Formats: sequence, structure tokens, C-alpha cells
Amino acid sequence: DVKVTQSSRYLVKRTGEKVFLECVQDMDHENMFWYRQDPGLGLRLIYFSYDVKMKEKGDIPEGYSVSREKKERFSLILESASTNQTSMYLCASSYRDSFAFGPGTRLTVT
Amino acid sequence: GENVEQHPSTLSVQEGDSAVIKCTYSDSASNYFPWYKQELGKRPQLIIDIRSNVGEKKDQRIAVTLNKTAKHFSLHITETQPEDSAVYFCAASMGNQFYFGTGTSLTVIP
Repeated sequence: DVKVTQSSRYLVKRTGEKVFLECVQDMDHENMFWYRQDPGLGLRLIYFSYDVKMKEKGDIPEGYSVSREKKERFSLILESASTNQTSMYLCASSYRDSFAFGPGTRLTVT
Repeated sequence: GENVEQHPSTLSVQEGDSAVIKCTYSDSASNYFPWYKQELGKRPQLIIDIRSNVGEKKDQRIAVTLNKTAKHFSLHITETQPEDSAVYFCAASMGNQFYFGTGTSLTVIP
């Protein structure tokens, strides 16, 4: 079984802070993804990466950046957190048809 | 890119009745269609999937059908139980990318 872990389950940050969300997978998957999940909006793709140091913008990349220095780790960065970034953030990884989610980080920006 | 639409957004059924959730997709190149179940406070988990060379797949009380011509696929849950209450997401995939529907919140009333 693929194991995808995220650094925090719950996080509270202040407006303007720089926020790092970390995701690690242990199955040597090529692809990694960051989604945010909001009621009524489903899962929206922020960024994805198909290889080390490679990244592609998803549907809602504004206000976010990512880093993938190692194959197993994919970080989501909020350069200056804002209240409209309060959300559930889900990391995922995949290889071919195998796709798995992390447990999620519920981020609150006050 | 691909566009996945999912209906209904909410669904309530009596215990023992059947539930059907429908999704449509836009890109005929999509060839893999998984369904995920997300219980409250947990990560989405794969419950069933279907590939484009198959029209129907069944796993106990859960079945998925695919109509490639019409570009739609459906999740069928029979003899629903309270533990089926969750949010269900459909997805369409081609290559590296997965595109999700907006989710259906299913409530099974005892």
C-alpha cells in the first residue's frame, strides 16, 4: 500500500505568514499533487509535479508555490497567507493507475 | 483539458435502498475512471475503478458502469447501509493527470 503522509493535520497561521505544507510518499511514485478541498467545490488542483524539480500549475495556483527537491517529498508554500486560503489541503501521489491521498491538513488563517 | 461533472451534489436514501451517482467527462482520451469515498475527517479512499475497455464492474454492493460513447459513468450502491454515508468523488484519468468531480454527499437514513 502507498503511504502518503503530511506534516500536520491541523495548522493555524496568521495573515501574512509564510506557510509550508510538507508531503512525503514512500512508494517511489513519479507524480505528486496538491489539492485544496472546499465545501461545494470538490477537489481543486493547485500544482502537480511529474518529476524532481518539475512542476506544473493546476487550476488554482495563485498565491501558492511548490518545491520538489527529492522524489518522495512535495512541499506547498503559501508565501503570504490570506484568510481565503483557509481550507483543507490534500496531497496525493500516483504512478500509472495507482493514486493515493494523504490524510489532509486543515489550515486556518486568522 | 478534461472536465468532469458529477451529480447530484447531495443524495439522501433510506437504508436498504439503492443510490446512484453519475459523472460525465469531456475528453475521449480518458481511459481510467476511479471512484473515491471520503468519510468525515478522513482522506479519500479508492473503492472501485473501471478502465475504458470494460463496460461494467461489480464488487459486492458496489458497481460502476461506463458508457464511452456518451462519455458518462455511474456508481451504483445497492442495499445501502448507514456506513455508506460519506462524500463520493468520481475521477477521469489519462496519463499522469486525474480530474475529479465536485463530490456527492450521500446520507443513508436508518
